[in-house]
Amino acid sequence: TQLLEQSPQFLSIQEGENLTVYCNSSSVFSSLQWYRQEPGEGPVLLVTVVTGGEVKKLKRLTFQFGDARKDSSLHITAAQPGDTGLYLCAGVEGSNYKLTFGKGTLLTVNP
Amino acid sequence: GAGVSQTPSNKVTEKGKYVELRCDPISGHTALYWYRQSLGQGPEFLIYFQGTGAADDSGLPNDRFFAVRPEGSVSTLKIQRTERGDSAVYLCASSLFSTVANEQFFGPGTRLTVL
Repeated sequence: TQLLEQSPQFLSIQEGENLTVYCNSSSVFSSLQWYRQEPGEGPVLLVTVVTGGEVKKLKRLTFQFGDARKDSSLHITAAQPGDTGLYLCAGVEGSNYKLTFGKGTLLTVNP
Repeated sequence: GAGVSQTPSNKVTEKGKYVELRCDPISGHTALYWYRQSLGQGPEFLIYFQGTGAADDSGLPNDRFFAVRPEGSVSTLKIQRTERGDSAVYLCASSLFSTVANEQFFGPGTRLTVL
């Protein structure tokens, strides 16, 4: 059972556009992580957010953790073809070490 | 040093056969995790090792699945009497510690196809 809902499931945009993907849950997470996965590779960690309301920036990527620690968003500014990939959010409940992943958002940025 | 490696990268087997999937974690990482990723899904937790012992195997789908880590480094995931529904990418990850904020480093996965 997936506890994290990601939307949209698929997103195809042109280079230079902005986009936001969402990760929502009814559960409270002690932390939430965003990963990017490319074909034939394992997920690679982009960021971990821990505090409710936290905002982190990684170059053109902005990550936000909801105040109630149940949801998160990833905003990409001026998307580039190199941003193409599967974006996964993963939550950690309590002091558990297990990652619970969403189904992911498959992003395609066309040149 | 090298990242997490997994062998084989691809495995095709017939229904009912036995398979072993190997994971070499990053040197010095005490925690090791196995996940399974089906097509169109995110990875799902299978089992977690802290050192040599399986600290949590609650994600293993049934008793056909078993994993070992005898010396606290390399781990092998074993699947008996494979079924077509076992087809998926099996991912291994390792981390220095098993804490909430500790980053898990993933290998490239083994793609298992059961015919």
